[in-house]
Amino acid sequence: EDQVTQSPEALRLQEGESSSLNCSYTVSGLRGLFWYRQDPGKGPEFLFTLYSAGEEKEKERLKATLTKKESFLHITAPKPEDSATYLCAVQGRDTGRRALTFGSGTRLQVQP
Amino acid sequence: DGGITQSPKYLFRKEGQNVTLSCEQNLNHDAMYWYRQDPGQGLRLIYYSQIVNDFQKGDIAEGYSVSREKKESFPLTVTSAQKNPTAFYLCASSIGSEGYGYTFGSGTRLTVV
Repeated sequence: EDQVTQSPEALRLQEGESSSLNCSYTVSGLRGLFWYRQDPGKGPEFLFTLYSAGEEKEKERLKATLTKKESFLHITAPKPEDSATYLCAVQGRDTGRRALTFGSGTRLQVQP
Repeated sequence: DGGITQSPKYLFRKEGQNVTLSCEQNLNHDAMYWYRQDPGQGLRLIYYSQIVNDFQKGDIAEGYSVSREKKESFPLTVTSAQKNPTAFYLCASSIGSEGYGYTFGSGTRLTVV
């Protein structure tokens, strides 16, 4: 059974204060790890896909990295508009499940 | 522009009533999914479909039903057997069902009155 644990549950940062969100996962062969951003009352918005350990992806102030057991979403010099819930999801290769398993998310608040 | 449309945005259900949530996509995606999100929690998989006329149960399928008669449409029915249906429901689609990211709709918030 695929499992995803995200930490911390909530994070409050000052504008410009860099930090990292963690996503620990357990799968039988990783087919893909996905990061999404979700604003209140809206559907998640796709950010990144990572497929193998050592892979990194960047977009504006966000950078996602992947190891064999966890992924980090690094936020550099965040702005208030980066405030959202960030969701991590995985899909395993060796199960009959053909859908993503999501973590419970990290609620990020960036104060001006 | 291509995307996924969920309707209605808000839905109220009386006790013992069945309700159907609509999900339509024009992305030409083969796979479609329904997830449920409760406050402060992640997304839990209800049902998914890899191709037309085929679908599989997810982790919390009890009290829900789906159909996939057309590639573009994947409606979800919340039946009276679902005892705690109040939640935010999200529909998603992907090009394929293995290793592809999802495009999500804007969600339907269902409340029992």
